[in-house]
Amino acid sequence: AQTVTQSQPEMSVQEAETVTLSCTYDTSENNYYLFWYKQPPSRQMILVIRQEAYKQQNATENRFSVNFQKAAKSFSLKISDSQLGDTAMYFCATTSGTYKYIFGTGTRLKVLA
Amino acid sequence: NAGVTQTPKFQVLKTGQSMTLQCAQDMNHEYMSWYRQDPGMGLRLIHYSVGAGITDQGEVPNGYNVSRSTTEDFPLRLLSAAPSQTSVYFCASSYSNRGDIQYFGAGTRLSVL
Repeated sequence: AQTVTQSQPEMSVQEAETVTLSCTYDTSENNYYLFWYKQPPSRQMILVIRQEAYKQQNATENRFSVNFQKAAKSFSLKISDSQLGDTAMYFCATTSGTYKYIFGTGTRLKVLA
Repeated sequence: NAGVTQTPKFQVLKTGQSMTLQCAQDMNHEYMSWYRQDPGMGLRLIHYSVGAGITDQGEVPNGYNVSRSTTEDFPLRLLSAAPSQTSVYFCASSYSNRGDIQYFGAGTRLSVL
């Protein structure tokens, strides 16, 4: 069964600095998708970035980028120039089979002024 | 531009009571799902649907029922609430199930006393 592991329950970073959130996963599939979702204090889940496993190029979205290491089954999220609005819970997720999404336990990120 | 609408936002139940959490989407998405979010456990899939009339169980289906009579609506029913069902519930939808971005509702915080 697919699993997603986020080993950092909490992290903090100074405003304007860079932080990397770790995610590892286990899958037996060849074709799958990976996601990072952000959950701010409002509780709303918001997509940050999406990666297709068959694409070797790392996905980027403005200040957010991923380091996708397929062989190592690693999918870390780098946030550059951190802003106070980046304070949130971040969830890593992957697809499982045809119909399911599997989420990690989350990393709580606090950006310090 | 409603997206995914969940009602209610908050609910308190007594053990043994029943209730239905409502979820509606206006994006003509085929795939809809229900998750529960508990501290330290991330999001866990309860039930999902790949289209009207088709539902299936996720990771934690016990104590919950679903139906999908229309593309737009996907209600979650608790037949006899238990304290273990105290959680935050999220409904999500996507165009299809295969790696598409999921759009989430704002969540329902449920307490069972």
